[in-house]
Amino acid sequence: QKEVEQDPGPLSVPEGAIVSLNCTYSNSAFQYFMWYRQYSRKGPELLMYTYSSGNKEDGRFTAQVDKSSKYISLFIRDSQPSDSATYLCAMSGIYNFNKFYFGSGTKLNVKP
Amino acid sequence: DTEVTQTPKHLVMGMTNKKSLKCEQHMGHRAMYWYKQKAKKPPELMFVYSYEKLSINESVPSRFSPECPNSSLLNLHLHALQPEDSALYLCASSRGQGADGKNIQYFGAGTRLSVL
Repeated sequence: QKEVEQDPGPLSVPEGAIVSLNCTYSNSAFQYFMWYRQYSRKGPELLMYTYSSGNKEDGRFTAQVDKSSKYISLFIRDSQPSDSATYLCAMSGIYNFNKFYFGSGTKLNVKP
Repeated sequence: DTEVTQTPKHLVMGMTNKKSLKCEQHMGHRAMYWYKQKAKKPPELMFVYSYEKLSINESVPSRFSPECPNSSLLNLHLHALQPEDSALYLCASSRGQGADGKNIQYFGAGTRLSVL
């Protein structure tokens, strides 16, 4: 079983839709949770960061962590064609915090 | 400033060449990473340096040789590569401390390497 599971998509939505991206994980020691956006042939860009449980909001983006279910989510409101990219979740634990575990990435396409 | 700078952006090399990739950060981070990323795959960890010492080597072939000259710089020396080594090579950095709840990894834009 992989440490982090993420649906690879592709996910296609119309402009203005609410997008929900999710990852599940198996290691209860994970405490640091990140979402990255990666455009084709570019490096990953940090979008959201959450420590432990809870929600965090930044503009059109909301990140949620449910540690009891080992489930994290990224919501994008009022999606735009410029949001079309691959979204990677990543996480690390408190004991080996220099090792980051990535989901496989979800490819999102927002249609005008 | 959360910038990680990688040079060059693109590199084409033959199988007998020797080349180096460079990475620089000025965020005071004490952990630096090399990842390899193939198309439509997540980044794959190669090496981790913590406080300028190699702490993780994910069984990477010896034709890849990392070097951390100081806390801001990370190099990846390449020699006798194979065509299957063609990929996007990403450098990243993080604070390297877990106690304060800010263990965030920042990536550079990557070097796109083609081995002919």
